[in-house]
Amino acid sequence: GNSVTQMEGPVTLSEEAFLTINCTYTATGYPSLFWYVQYPGEGLQLLLKATKADDKGSNKGFEATYRKETTSFHLEKGSVQVSDSAVYFCALSLNQGGKLIFGQGTELSVKP
Amino acid sequence: DTGVSQDPRHKITKRGQNVTFRCDPISEHNRLYWYRQTLGQGPEFLTYFQNEAQLEKSRLLSDRFSAERPKGSFSTLEIQRTEQGDSAMYLCASRAGQGFTEAFFGQGTRLTVV
Repeated sequence: GNSVTQMEGPVTLSEEAFLTINCTYTATGYPSLFWYVQYPGEGLQLLLKATKADDKGSNKGFEATYRKETTSFHLEKGSVQVSDSAVYFCALSLNQGGKLIFGQGTELSVKP
Repeated sequence: DTGVSQDPRHKITKRGQNVTFRCDPISEHNRLYWYRQTLGQGPEFLTYFQNEAQLEKSRLLSDRFSAERPKGSFSTLEIQRTEQGDSAMYLCASRAGQGFTEAFFGQGTRLTVV
C-alpha cells in the first residue's frame, strides 16, 4: 500500500541549528510529495511540495528534494528559529483525486 | 479572510449520541476532503467530494459515518451512535481545480466522546 514514514519526535534544537527531518515513502504509483506544518493552535499549512523526481521544493528557508532512488523527501533548514517550533507532516498524493497520505508528524521545538 | 471554516470547533458528546459537523470550503473550490487526526498521528483520509459527488470513501469510514455536500458548497459529516474511539480531531480541506493544487485546511472540530 501507500504510506509515509517520518522520524519520530520530538526534535529539540537550539536557535540557528541545522534541521533535518527524515521522510521516506512507499507508493504504488508516482506520487507528488509535500511537507505540511501545523503551528500551535492553527490549521495545517502547506510548507513546500515537489511533483517529480529531483525536484526541490523550498519555502521560508526550508528545502526538500524528491529522491526517487531512495524514496525520500527529507526536510532541511540551515538555521532554525524559535518561530519554527511546530509539528511537521510529510505527505504524498497520487493521482486519485488528490487525497493526501500523511506521516505521523514530527514535533520540532526550537529553544532560544 | 475566506479560508476553510469548520463548526463547531469543539464538541463533547455522550456515547451513543449523534453528532454533525459542518465545513465551509473556500468558495469556488470544487474538491473537499474530510480527515481524522488522533493524538500524535497524522491526519487519515476519510472521504472526498468533487462538487456534490462523493467520489471516494476510506475503509475507515464505518456505516455510522455519513458525509454530504449538497449543491457542491458546504459539507456535513455525521457520526451516528458515537463511540469513545471516535474521539479525534476532524479536519476539512478544500482545493481548486485538478491535479496537485494546494489543499487548504480548516482548524478542525475536536470531538470528545464521554
